[in-house]
Amino acid sequence: DAGVTQSPTHLIKTRGQQVTLRCSPKSGHDTVSWYQQALGQGPQFIFQYYEEEERQRGNFPDRFSGHQFPNYSSELNVNALLLGDSALYLCASSLQGLNTEAFFGQGTRLTVV
Amino acid sequence: GNSVTQMEGPVTLSEEAFLTINCTYTATGYPSLFWYVQYPGEGLQLLLKATKADDKGSNKGFEATYRKETTSFHLEKGSVQVSDSAVYFCAQVDSGGYQKVTFGTGTKLQVIP
Repeated sequence: DAGVTQSPTHLIKTRGQQVTLRCSPKSGHDTVSWYQQALGQGPQFIFQYYEEEERQRGNFPDRFSGHQFPNYSSELNVNALLLGDSALYLCASSLQGLNTEAFFGQGTRLTVV
Repeated sequence: GNSVTQMEGPVTLSEEAFLTINCTYTATGYPSLFWYVQYPGEGLQLLLKATKADDKGSNKGFEATYRKETTSFHLEKGSVQVSDSAVYFCAQVDSGGYQKVTFGTGTKLQVIP
């Protein structure tokens, strides 16, 4: 079992550009959540996808959008990048239901210059 | 809303010293509680969890007990090793079944030989 895999590992973008990050969930998992972790901070919840729909959203602007595919993999898109979007972006997968554990990927380090 | 507060770091200990990292939470229901660990340059790994009051989670010599009366989930280890140097995050998942993880700000532990 490969666990949660994210790509790319690192990315450098210019302010104003758009970026797409990808996540493949752990085998058997149907729910994908995305988190932003700024340097020295705890991860902050961006949104969660289940059954190809955004089910819950944190306090992030509409520049952050996502998608979930029929195979449960997911993409995070960020438009009009700002310097402050530089962070580690973490994907977590889980199985729908109570008290289930979230498994995290290694993250994508995004640097906006 | 739900939140997690943990002691600020960094915490510096000598090898074989006793470790305590304090964590308290606020929640409207009965969340599940977790400790995650993040090694330098890596994603998050689940260290231990507890899903109901008085449960004790344990793993790799680390322990934490879910204390509903004090809304706490303090992390302890009797004898730390240099390899335990990492950032530790206390976290909760609300009881609503959406697996949204709310993290504390993290506590950096450095263990010196």
